[in-house]
Amino acid sequence: NAGVTQTPKFRVLKTGQSMTLLCAQDMNHEYMYWYRQDPGMGLRLIHYSVGEGTTAKGEVPDGYNVSRLKKQNFLLGLESAAPSQTSVYFCASSETGGSTGELFFGEGSRLTVL
Amino acid sequence: SQQGEEDPQALSIQEGENATMNCSYKTSINNLQWYRQNSGRGLVHLILIRSNEREKHSGRLRVTLDTSKKSSSLLITASRAADTASYFCATDAAGGFKTIFGAGTRLFVKA
Repeated sequence: NAGVTQTPKFRVLKTGQSMTLLCAQDMNHEYMYWYRQDPGMGLRLIHYSVGEGTTAKGEVPDGYNVSRLKKQNFLLGLESAAPSQTSVYFCASSETGGSTGELFFGEGSRLTVL
Repeated sequence: SQQGEEDPQALSIQEGENATMNCSYKTSINNLQWYRQNSGRGLVHLILIRSNEREKHSGRLRVTLDTSKKSSSLLITASRAADTASYFCATDAAGGFKTIFGAGTRLFVKA
């Protein structure tokens, strides 16, 4: 039972490079989220999706794009990476939205931008 | 700005003692959740308390919610070294789809 799987787990980029983080969940959840976690800042919501084909902005969306073409996948893209995007990125999914349901998290993707 | 703010930022106790962490939030909520994060891992759900509940228990965990003060507390009784982790509260703005996390409390339990 995989739950939420994030790839890659580690990545080092140079400023200006692009990349995509993939999140896959096998629980048939409608809601999916991307968070970033920085020291002392807790988790901040980047983008989220309330169902296949939908996306919405969270607290810190600038510099990121997302897509939810398939219900089980939620992609986070960085078009032109900046050092400020060095962080640990977490994907989560839930059966219901808001805080009505438990969020299931992936193990994180550690991104370093040089 | 974050919806939930935990207090204290860090807490160090001896094994067997109780640990209390507090969370304050800004706007009305439907539910409040607590999560745990071991170092280098993803977050794991601990407990959910609804806005019409005042207290909830789960094993050694006790959560209280005071909507008039917009605050919640998580009590871990008889702590163990394995309880060493960061603990986060998570809330929504009433009616919203987003789950917003606080900055967390780092708990260190000394054996």
